[in-house]
Amino acid sequence: NAGVTQTPKFRVLKTGQSMTLLCAQDMNHEYMYWYRQDPGMGLRLIHYSVGEGTTAKGEVPDGYNVSRLKKQNFLLGLESAAPSQTSVYFCASSFSGVETQYFGPGTRLLVL
Amino acid sequence: GENVEQHPSTLSVQEGDSAVIKCTYSDSASNYFPWYKQELGKRPQLIIDIRSNVGEKKDQRIAVTLNKTAKHFSLHITETQPEDSAVYFCAASILPGNQFYFGTGTSLTVIP
Repeated sequence: NAGVTQTPKFRVLKTGQSMTLLCAQDMNHEYMYWYRQDPGMGLRLIHYSVGEGTTAKGEVPDGYNVSRLKKQNFLLGLESAAPSQTSVYFCASSFSGVETQYFGPGTRLLVL
Repeated sequence: GENVEQHPSTLSVQEGDSAVIKCTYSDSASNYFPWYKQELGKRPQLIIDIRSNVGEKKDQRIAVTLNKTAKHFSLHITETQPEDSAVYFCAASILPGNQFYFGTGTSLTVIP
């Protein structure tokens, strides 16, 4: 039981490049979330999903897209990376939305 | 949406002393308040949580208190140890639901 995993751990992009971050969970959780963490700003929700095939916007969705084609996976895409998207990205999941969220190990992204 | 404020942003205590971190929230409908601990370079991990039908919860050296009238909740760590050094985040949420609103974090240093 690996819990929540994220791929890759670290990535450097040039401005304008695209990439996809993968989150996977093996806990059969319905709800999945993508956060970004910036110094002094805590964790801010980008997008979330309440089940396979569903997605919704969070607090800071601009510049990101997501997909939940399989229950266990939640993908975060950056179509045209900008330096302002330099951050640490955390994925999280919860069973039903009435329990706490469990976080992945994070992806550190640097956009030059 | 919900606004969570957390104080102090940094806290240094001597080993064996107590540490208190305070959070306030704005939405009186919030009913779930988790606390996360994040060690340097690691993922946030749940250390304790409280629901709005409870005023206090304790787990060994850690306790959380909730004052619904004043809309604030606090984390108390007693007999602090060097391994308690980390960043602590509070959050508020309305369950069942999707969005956790996080505070900006408190960096706790326990001095041996």
